[in-house]
Amino acid sequence: EDQVTQSPEALRLQEGESSSLNCSYTVSGLRGLFWYRQDPGKGPEFLFTLYSAGEEKEKERLKATLTKKESFLHITAPKPEDSATYLCAVQAGETSGSRLTFGEGTQLTVNP
Amino acid sequence: ETGVTQSPTHLIKTRGQQVTLRCSSQSGHNTVSWYQQALGQGPQFIFQYYREEENGRGNFPPRFSGLQFPNYSSELNVNALELDDSALYLCASGRTGARVQFFGPGTRLTVL
Repeated sequence: EDQVTQSPEALRLQEGESSSLNCSYTVSGLRGLFWYRQDPGKGPEFLFTLYSAGEEKEKERLKATLTKKESFLHITAPKPEDSATYLCAVQAGETSGSRLTFGEGTQLTVNP
Repeated sequence: ETGVTQSPTHLIKTRGQQVTLRCSSQSGHNTVSWYQQALGQGPQFIFQYYREEENGRGNFPPRFSGLQFPNYSSELNVNALELDDSALYLCASGRTGARVQFFGPGTRLTVL
């Protein structure tokens, strides 16, 4: 069974204080690892897809990296508007369609 | 380009009732998936539809059922509602061959 574990559960940063969120996974045949951002009461917003170990993607203050066992979401010089829950999800196996298995998320708060 | 839309935004039902939630896929997308997200948890995969047929199902009982229509819109039906069905229900659409799924804003269902 595919498993995704995110840490920490919650993270509080000061504006400008860089940090990283972790997503460790156990899957059979990774087809893709996804990062989403979710604001309270809203649907997840797509950020990145990573397909193979060593791959990196960047968008503004966010950078996602992937190894064979985990992914990191690095946040550089965060701003209060980066406050949200960040969700990691995996897509695995050839017969599972587009099914995403999510972690529980990391709730990020950036204080001004 | 129109994104994924869902209706209604909020819904209150009583235990034992039936509910239908609706989703319009993003333009150009032909797969639709439904997820259940309990408060403080990551989304859980319910099922996916492609070519108007169920194409993968998560660990949900048969009282959760769905439909996909020729215009790629979709419905999620839940019979015999239970208190634990209270959650945010998310619809996600995508294209076959592309792995990314884009989520709608969700429907907040409360079962009393």
